[in-house]
Amino acid sequence: AQSVTQPDIHITVSEGASLELRCNYSYGATPYLFWYVQSPGQGLQLLLKYFSGDTLVQGIKGFEAEFKRSQSSFNLRKPSVHWSDAAEYFCAVGAPNQAGTALIFGKGTTLSVSS
Amino acid sequence: GAVVSQHPSRVICKSGTSVKIECRSLDFQATTMFWYRQFPKKSLMLMATSNEGSKATYEQGVEKDKFLINHASLTLSTLTVTSAHPEDSSFYICSAKEPGGGGYTFGSGTRLTVV
Repeated sequence: AQSVTQPDIHITVSEGASLELRCNYSYGATPYLFWYVQSPGQGLQLLLKYFSGDTLVQGIKGFEAEFKRSQSSFNLRKPSVHWSDAAEYFCAVGAPNQAGTALIFGKGTTLSVSS
Repeated sequence: GAVVSQHPSRVICKSGTSVKIECRSLDFQATTMFWYRQFPKKSLMLMATSNEGSKATYEQGVEKDKFLINHASLTLSTLTVTSAHPEDSSFYICSAKEPGGGGYTFGSGTRLTVV
């Protein structure tokens, strides 16, 4: 069965410092992988996605993620965090080429940014 | 890009009444839509997969008689919370798979409060 693990429930980073949010997945083949961000009381915003090809994926807001097949990981990174990045971050996995398969989400990581 | 419109964004209802949430694909046809529930500070839990013209597929533990899903057309899926109780208060989000690719598009969510 598909599953997504985000080991860090809450992370605090100083403004201007680098960030890495971890995500591990369990899937029979290479899935589609996604990172979403959610601000309090808001919907989901897609940061980036990986389907195939280059394993380093660039997203919006200066975020990037690297797919590592050997580690079943898809960690999200940002070189310099801004206070506005404080939010909830979700990693998700989807099945390629299967229209009827929903995204499965990790439990999320809450990012706090200190000044 | 593919857009999913969800309505209403917020609703307050009295205990014992029913509430309908609509999810529309605006510029594409969605044979399959997905309904998620999100508790405060928690991840998105898949409730059910809505299939146009057929019965929805519910995840284990989700009461199909309480959460009625109808997908009568290729652009509209509805979730009706029947005989709502305070414990049904939550954030509900719909989603559909984007046509021609592997991405998913999400509605902006509905904040349901049962008083």
